[in-house]
Amino acid sequence: DTGVSQDPRHKITKRGQNVTFRCDPISEHNRLYWYRQTLGQGPEFLTYFQNEAQLEKSRLLSDRFSAERPKGSFSTLEIQRTEQGDSAMYLCASSLRTSGSGANEQFFGPGTRLTVL
Amino acid sequence: LAKTTQPISMDSYEGQEVNITCSHNNIATNDYITWYQQFPSQGPRFIIQGYKTKVTNEVASLFIPADRKSSTLSLPRVSLSDTAVYYCLVGPLIYNQGGKLIFGQGTELSVKP
Repeated sequence: DTGVSQDPRHKITKRGQNVTFRCDPISEHNRLYWYRQTLGQGPEFLTYFQNEAQLEKSRLLSDRFSAERPKGSFSTLEIQRTEQGDSAMYLCASSLRTSGSGANEQFFGPGTRLTVL
Repeated sequence: LAKTTQPISMDSYEGQEVNITCSHNNIATNDYITWYQQFPSQGPRFIIQGYKTKVTNEVASLFIPADRKSSTLSLPRVSLSDTAVYYCLVGPLIYNQGGKLIFGQGTELSVKP
């Protein structure tokens, strides 16, 4: 257990439905990241926050995807009008941005596995 | 960010030392080499990071030659629980470059009894 939790762990939905995932990072971590991982591939970066500000979004994040971190603590990732191609594991990670840190260490949650039927 | 190349899969037996090599010919001066481990149905976990020469921690060792165009992750005396996917990442420290980690396909290590 890394201290990063995600809810739900599994989600099955029908094409066209909206889904929302939640991530609770390690409490003192100011950076929060979302990644997507499909079978046999490494995680792909989607977006990240520093505190409540969303600082970068990948081109993978289409208009149907939106992420928020309203109070700089937990974050939500919403997918609207889901498509079968959205089926994947959605991973959340957190880290503490300190200029003196030498480690590229992000702490990952267990992920939310989304299946779109 | 530097592209990495690593074997798709490797097999080993319990008690053996496993060395996974990663090639990164276009590594930049400010790039670090970082390895993550991922078990099935879990998120990746940081193992080790280095810039040059050798780094060792309680889990693994990382060997980086002088030209830094490759690196080798060494796992001493593996056990069945070391069966996982191992990712080699090359890039600047995340607090400099904005945070994202760029993962390749990784190396799937299978440890057999």
